[in-house]
Amino acid sequence: EAGVAQSPRYKIIEKRQSVAFWCNPISGHATLYWYQQILGQGPKLLIQFQNNGVVDDSQLPKDRFSAERLKGVDSTLKIQPAKLEDSAVYLCASSLGTRTNEQFFGPGTRLTVL
Amino acid sequence: GDSVTQMEGPVTLSEEAFLTINCTYTATGYPSLFWYVQYPGEGLQLLLKATKADDKGSNKGFEATYRKETTSFHLEKGSVQVSDSAVYFCALTENTGNQFYFGTGTSLTVIP
Repeated sequence: EAGVAQSPRYKIIEKRQSVAFWCNPISGHATLYWYQQILGQGPKLLIQFQNNGVVDDSQLPKDRFSAERLKGVDSTLKIQPAKLEDSAVYLCASSLGTRTNEQFFGPGTRLTVL
Repeated sequence: GDSVTQMEGPVTLSEEAFLTINCTYTATGYPSLFWYVQYPGEGLQLLLKATKADDKGSNKGFEATYRKETTSFHLEKGSVQVSDSAVYFCALTENTGNQFYFGTGTSLTVIP
């Protein structure tokens, strides 16, 4: 079974630029998560989708971050404009559905904002 | 609010030593508890979980028991191997909400 795919693996941009990350979850997984992991910290949930609907985006900085999952499969996370403090690893995870189901994580995208 | 606190690393052990990584939590309800592991260069993967008090999760020789009275979920292994070198994350999710809360991670290095 293929795992969660993410691209790109690495991205370096200057502040005030825009960037987008892509995630393709495991086939059949209804729930998709985006996390931000700052160096030395644990992952912080940014947004959770159930199929193509948003379940929780309470920790998403909506003035600059946006995410979509239009067809209920793959998803994109965008930052516009980026700030220095956005430097982090962005993790995508998927699960079959319920909260206690195992989450399967992708390898992450490491973003550096200069 | 909900949170997870785990012991700070890094932890360095000799092969076959006993491992304990402490994890305590704060939750308003009745959370499910997890340990995730991140091997070098790989994504996080679930190591074990427990969904109610007194449950014991176990996998690959690792164990953790959900202790409601001490709000703890300490990870243990009787004899570590070099291949256990990784970063370990404790996490919780409330059964009435959507948020997952992760600890800061504990880096373990096992030397031969």
